[in-house]
Amino acid sequence: GEDVEQSLFLSVREGDSSVINCTYTDSSSTYLYWYKQEPGAGLQLLTYIFSNMDMKQDQRLTVLLNKKDKHLSLRIADTQTGDSAIYFCAESYSGGGADGLTFGKGTHLIIQP
Amino acid sequence: EPEVTQTPSHQVTQMGQEVILRCVPISNHLYFYWYRQILGQKVEFLVSFYNNEISEKSEIFDDQFSVERPDGSNFTLKIRSTKLEDSAMYFCASAQGEQYFGPGTRLTVT
Repeated sequence: GEDVEQSLFLSVREGDSSVINCTYTDSSSTYLYWYKQEPGAGLQLLTYIFSNMDMKQDQRLTVLLNKKDKHLSLRIADTQTGDSAIYFCAESYSGGGADGLTFGKGTHLIIQP
Repeated sequence: EPEVTQTPSHQVTQMGQEVILRCVPISNHLYFYWYRQILGQKVEFLVSFYNNEISEKSEIFDDQFSVERPDGSNFTLKIRSTKLEDSAMYFCASAQGEQYFGPGTRLTVT
């Protein structure tokens, strides 16, 4: 079945770039997402990318997709303490249609002062 | 900015009781979803709903679960005869494209 894998923890210094990685198994994945979850809060959609794109940039966020290796990454430039959260990678086939998202376990981003 | 809301934020119930979790999706969205996250585990898809009927459901969504859109704004998840293993965070989402999630309801079954 479909599976999405992420490393559980990433620790970076404030001001450095954070790179959170994700791999997925379903080659028919069309839409790939990054969600952020702060303590006690819901899942906030950060950004998404279509499978026919290699890269998407949105302010401090850069998403890279290697479709051949089924590898997705999220780069956060100039990481701030407010970026401390759990980051979830997710994929779907139809992107906003009937099928649900398949999530990874989430990467805890820890910011060191 | 419009957002998905969920009530209650925390629900405690005894094993065997029925619970109804409520969600108000974003008003112009057409697709609605329920997910759950057992503590320490992945967020798991339960069901999607479109045009007043279930579109897709996972193997988790068995006869114990049902969904309903009782009026033009609410979307509910009913769990009949709750079990200890139903304890989880339940997220509602809605979409007109990307899925937007509510803050979740933490269900504790004792």
